[in-house]
Amino acid sequence: DTAVSQTPKYLVTQMGNDKSIKCEQNLGHDTMYWYKQDSKKFLKIMFSYNNKELIINETVPNRFSPKSPDKAHLNLHINSLELGDSAVYFCASSQAHRSTDTQYFGPGTRLTVL
Amino acid sequence: AQSVTQLGSHVSVSEGALVLLRCNYSSSVPPYLFWYVQYPNQGLQLLLKYTSAATLVKGINGFEAEFKKSETSFHLTKPSAHMSDAAEYFCAVSTRRFGNEKLTFGTGTRLTIIP
Repeated sequence: DTAVSQTPKYLVTQMGNDKSIKCEQNLGHDTMYWYKQDSKKFLKIMFSYNNKELIINETVPNRFSPKSPDKAHLNLHINSLELGDSAVYFCASSQAHRSTDTQYFGPGTRLTVL
Repeated sequence: AQSVTQLGSHVSVSEGALVLLRCNYSSSVPPYLFWYVQYPNQGLQLLLKYTSAATLVKGINGFEAEFKKSETSFHLTKPSAHMSDAAEYFCAVSTRRFGNEKLTFGTGTRLTIIP
């Protein structure tokens, strides 16, 4: 059983489109995250949710909107896609929103904007 | 603000040789430190973490790291490299500062193993 799963694995789309990436965890964790990894492999947090409540909201364009329907799911919707949005997006989860907690990462979604 | 610096974006070692990946941190409060590994086309996986208990931390796959406050370092080592160790390694820092419980990652070190 996959602990943290993301769909789709690959996403190729045109500029200006709207797309969503889904994430699910079956670890029973309370906290979920979205990260962006750019072409240089630099990994930066975008959002975190704890028990469906937004905790961390980094400096991310408001075209990005996370949605957490329940503790096990955290989806990422992106409006009006731009070339610079091309990256690998990782979902992660942890037991709680504690600094010492191990984060478990999904396999990533490679987004290519043409 | 917290940050980590990983010295050497690429490191190559021969199979069987010592692996040493360097990480230095900056934090105004006591840090928690992590090493994650990313295999090609996969997500990140925790190797080990320091959370203010023992300063020498042992992780999976024979890796270990030592927290040295005086040097603000948390270098990752493995006595004998294996071909399967080829991957990207990320050092990360977090702190207990309320409202800032987030991981800040370094820029990564790509480890290549020479047969």
